[in-house]
Amino acid sequence: QSALTQPASVSGSPGQSITISCTGTSSDVGSYNLVSWYQQHPDKAPKLMIYEVNKRPSGVSNRFSGSKSGNTASLTISGLQAEDEADYYCCSYAGSSTLVFGGGTKLTVL
Amino acid sequence: QVQLVQSGAEVKKPGASVEVSCKASGYTFTGYYMHWVRQAPGQGLEWMGWINPNNGGTNYAQKFQGRVTMTRDTSISTAYMELSRLRSDDTAVYYCARDLPGWSGFYYYWGQGTLVTVSS
Repeated sequence: QSALTQPASVSGSPGQSITISCTGTSSDVGSYNLVSWYQQHPDKAPKLMIYEVNKRPSGVSNRFSGSKSGNTASLTISGLQAEDEADYYCCSYAGSSTLVFGGGTKLTVL
Repeated sequence: QVQLVQSGAEVKKPGASVEVSCKASGYTFTGYYMHWVRQAPGQGLEWMGWINPNNGGTNYAQKFQGRVTMTRDTSISTAYMELSRLRSDDTAVYYCARDLPGWSGFYYYWGQGTLVTVSS
């Protein structure tokens, strides 16, 4: 299982929108609508932001949204805020009850 | 409220084994799969595997097959992850993470993490 591919970093100004991509293969992202996204602040445990491609857990801002096309999933954050600055990881089901994470993307709010 | 409390930091020598515990509270322990995820310093998240606390069934990432063992003690609502034949690149923070109902691979609840340092 190879890690999903994410850009190492993205940046945006407060109020803007950004999108983080997560590219897998037809064996993981492309075959299942079981993609999730996690936000991780320094020295903290990850926080679930999106699951099943585009569903938000209770309490997560509707500024966060997810989508998928083919082998690539995406996380969009609209109305960027300073508190959104963090690392973001995608995760996909990879068959046989296994999972694979992306390499992570560092979001900088300028 | 749901809580996952992990054991404290460990320092091990190469070749040794380490066991990390994860004590669950605030829910029915046997009702939810428990996964283990690790993160090397400055690196990304890496899925290691899961245990079904109800029957002890496990599934491990291919990378860790033969070196990892996940167990549980239902009497004290605690899951364990043992990693053997430690190498320096096993230095990482190890997290337990509780699945949503059923098997979904989505983690709303995480432990606080346990730093395992492998050094001679």
